[in-house]
Amino acid sequence: EVQLVESGGGLVQPGGSLRLSCAASEFTFNNYWMSWVRQAPGKGLEWVANIKQDGSEKNYVASVKGRLTVSRDNAKSSLYLQMNSLRAEDTAVYYCAREEGYCSGHDCYFYFDYWGLGTLVTVSS
Amino acid sequence: DIQMTQSPSSLSASVGDRVTITCRASQSISRFLNWYQQKVGKAPKLLIHAASNLQSGVPSRFSGSGSGTDFTLTISSLQPEDFATYYCQQSHIAPRTFGQGTKVEI
Repeated sequence: EVQLVESGGGLVQPGGSLRLSCAASEFTFNNYWMSWVRQAPGKGLEWVANIKQDGSEKNYVASVKGRLTVSRDNAKSSLYLQMNSLRAEDTAVYYCAREEGYCSGHDCYFYFDYWGLGTLVTVSS
Repeated sequence: DIQMTQSPSSLSASVGDRVTITCRASQSISRFLNWYQQKVGKAPKLLIHAASNLQSGVPSRFSGSGSGTDFTLTISSLQPEDFATYYCQQSHIAPRTFGQGTKVEI
């Protein structure tokens, strides 16, 4: 069965850095876009970033551009999120998610079909 | 960015009820719309993709409809395990935005 396991969360001071990892197994990792999605305590879901199969294309939500960087190592079936200049509003559970997709005619549909359990990042002094 | 607005934000229902949740996009997204269910303390679970396609393993009491800007998730007969929060999400363009969620409670 497909598994996604996040790690690297913890308590960090404002302005600090953290690196999250997501270990993928039981599927061909380099065939899929991958995303990070976060959820602040008691709040809704917020998509953060995604990365193309070969790492050549990355997208970010505006609030994290220039501070968070998504990357991947296909040889290790791993996804990463380097988090710098952290702010209190970055406090959240961070999920990695696989983006399944298919095309029908000119339209290509994507959705998050597998999710990890999440890792909690707390930014506080 | 495309804004996704769900209504209602919460609703009370009973087992056996028919429940309808709506999601409106700030611009046309064709059928690039997905629905997820999230239970407390758990990761989200995909229910519907491309507006109306039921994900494998999801009970047939769940259905989705709509296109353009207006979408609906329907639970035909609410079961005890369906009490959760439901999110819509557009995949038309980045950033892949979510609705604010609809909490279904007793």
